[in-house]
Amino acid sequence: QKEVEQNSGPLSVPEGAIASLNCTYSDRGSQSFFWYRQYSGKSPELIMSIYSNGDKEDGRFTAQLNKASQYVSLLIRDSQPSDSATYLCAVTAGGSYIPTFGRGTSLIVHP
Amino acid sequence: GAGVSQTPSNKVTEKGKYVELRCDPISGHTALYWYRQSLGQGPEFLIYFQGTGAADDSGLPNDRFFAVRPEGSVSTLKIQRTERGDSAVYLCASSLSQGPGELFFGEGSRLTVL
Repeated sequence: QKEVEQNSGPLSVPEGAIASLNCTYSDRGSQSFFWYRQYSGKSPELIMSIYSNGDKEDGRFTAQLNKASQYVSLLIRDSQPSDSATYLCAVTAGGSYIPTFGRGTSLIVHP
Repeated sequence: GAGVSQTPSNKVTEKGKYVELRCDPISGHTALYWYRQSLGQGPEFLIYFQGTGAADDSGLPNDRFFAVRPEGSVSTLKIQRTERGDSAVYLCASSLSQGPGELFFGEGSRLTVL
């Protein structure tokens, strides 16, 4: 059973701070890693993908992957109230096209 | 259309009834997925199509659930003899084959079984 684990939160940070969201996965053969953002009552939206160890930056977002430790994280710099949402980690095994999702971490950015 | 379209957005039905949920993917996306999501949970995989065929239906919970994609575009998820436990948001997503896991989701169909 492939598992993707996330702390459900909520994670509460003040506006302007760095929000750090973490995810661990059980399948060592996992090859592709994704972060989706889901606003309340809306569908998930892809915000970051990462495929190799290290950091990948896109604007205020940085995804970090450590395959040896089987974790992937998402950093949001200069957090804004509009970043308040649930962040879903998704992992795809090598050769698969089907991502397995975690339960998501709720992020609250307060002014 | 520009995005993934799902209909109906809301469906209320009685236990034991049959329902169909429709998904129209992004034009040109050959991969199509169905997930369902319950409150406080992440999306749970149901079935994956590559073209017209179901490449992986291992997530379908039982034989009351069935999905088709006859022409490789629009897909229909069919649920027979609905049960209260089937209540959830059913999400459809499409993807280019080259991007495993880079899914574009529709707004979902919220199914409530009374």
